[in-house]
Amino acid sequence: AQTVTQSQPEMSVQEAETVTLSCTYDTSESDYYLFWYKQPPSRQMILVIRQEAYKQQNATENRFSVNFQKAAKSFSLKISDSQLGDAAMYFCAYRPYNNDMRFGAGTRLTVKP
Amino acid sequence: ETGVTQTPRHLVMGMTNKKSLKCEQHLGHNAMYWYKQSAKKPLELMFVYSLEERVENNSVPSRFSPECPNSSHLFLHLHTLQPEDSALYLCASSQDILGSYNEQFFGPGTRLTVL
Repeated sequence: AQTVTQSQPEMSVQEAETVTLSCTYDTSESDYYLFWYKQPPSRQMILVIRQEAYKQQNATENRFSVNFQKAAKSFSLKISDSQLGDAAMYFCAYRPYNNDMRFGAGTRLTVKP
Repeated sequence: ETGVTQTPRHLVMGMTNKKSLKCEQHLGHNAMYWYKQSAKKPLELMFVYSLEERVENNSVPSRFSPECPNSSHLFLHLHTLQPEDSALYLCASSQDILGSYNEQFFGPGTRLTVL
């Protein structure tokens, strides 16, 4: 089965500090896509960052970056200079090239002022 | 309106009621999805539509009945639900169902409570 595991149900970070959210996935595919989604308390889920498996370079979007380790099937999200607005549920997702997206159970991030 | 909208945002219904959830996407996408989100569980994919044709039904009970009259609208008809069906129901859309990134854009969800 292709599953996504987020081992940290909850995380907290001090404002302006850096936090890393973990994600591992199970797959036998070689071509796939990985995503991190953010769901703030208002509930609308938005895409934070995405990565193609064949790209070795880690994706970066402003304060958000990933550490993609294909052999280890690991896709962690690093948030630098954390802001109060970063508080949300974060979902890791995996999508094979020709199949549906699979989500992890989420990590609730709290940002302390 | 932009993006993906869902109505109602909150719904309380009895087990014998019939209600419908509505989703509309303003992105010109070809694919639409229904997900069920329960606390501390991964999102559960319920239905997938591509160009108004249902392409996937993930063993969802028949008390949930989807309808996609056109590529911009998606409904989820509910009848004789159970309390365990209480959850956040999310609608999403993407350009297509296969191929490249096809990131999904989500609506705000409908919080459903079954009494």
